[in-house]
Amino acid sequence: QSALTQPASVSGSPGQSITISCTGTSSDVGGYNYVSWYQQHPGKAPKLMIYDVSNRPSGVSNRFSGSKSGNTASLTISGLQAEDEADYYCSSYTSSSTLEVFGTGTKVTVL
Amino acid sequence: QVQLVQSGAEVKKPGASVKVSCKASGYTFTSYDINWVRQATGQGLEWMGWMNPNSGNTGYAQKFQGRVTMTRNTSISTAYMELSSLRSEDTAVYYCARWNYKADYWGQGTLVTVSS
Repeated sequence: QSALTQPASVSGSPGQSITISCTGTSSDVGGYNYVSWYQQHPGKAPKLMIYDVSNRPSGVSNRFSGSKSGNTASLTISGLQAEDEADYYCSSYTSSSTLEVFGTGTKVTVL
Repeated sequence: QVQLVQSGAEVKKPGASVKVSCKASGYTFTSYDINWVRQATGQGLEWMGWMNPNSGNTGYAQKFQGRVTMTRNTSISTAYMELSSLRSEDTAVYYCARWNYKADYWGQGTLVTVSS
């Protein structure tokens, strides 16, 4: 089971919007609505930001939103803030023996 | 509040085994799967497997089949992940996470260093 494909880096200025893509296959992203997104600051554990493609856990800013089209899921961060600078990982349930697969990770830089 | 507290850092020699614990509190331990994820320094997240604390059933990523064992002690709400035949490439931070098709709570991570 190969990792889901994400861009290595995305950057934006404060206040702008950015979108991170997460491309898989019909066996994972495209086949199930179990796509999650995690934010990870250096030296910290990942934090759940989006689950089931587009749902936000309680306490997560509504500046974070998720969507999916075909085999590609996306995370959009609007009104970019300095605190959003972190690594972001998508994950998806998969029908393969692995059961769950992560994306390659994207480093978000706030310019 | 939900918490997952993991055991401390470990240093192991190649060929040895390591057992990491993950103590859950703030919720009914047997109601959610526990998954294990690892992250080598500067690398991405890697899913290792899952365990159902109620039944003890497990499922492991093919990469770790035969080397990893996930168990639990429900009397103390603690999950364990044991990895054997360690090699240098297993040096990483190991995380446990509460799972229901999403990891909503994570442990703080346990650094396992494999070095001769």
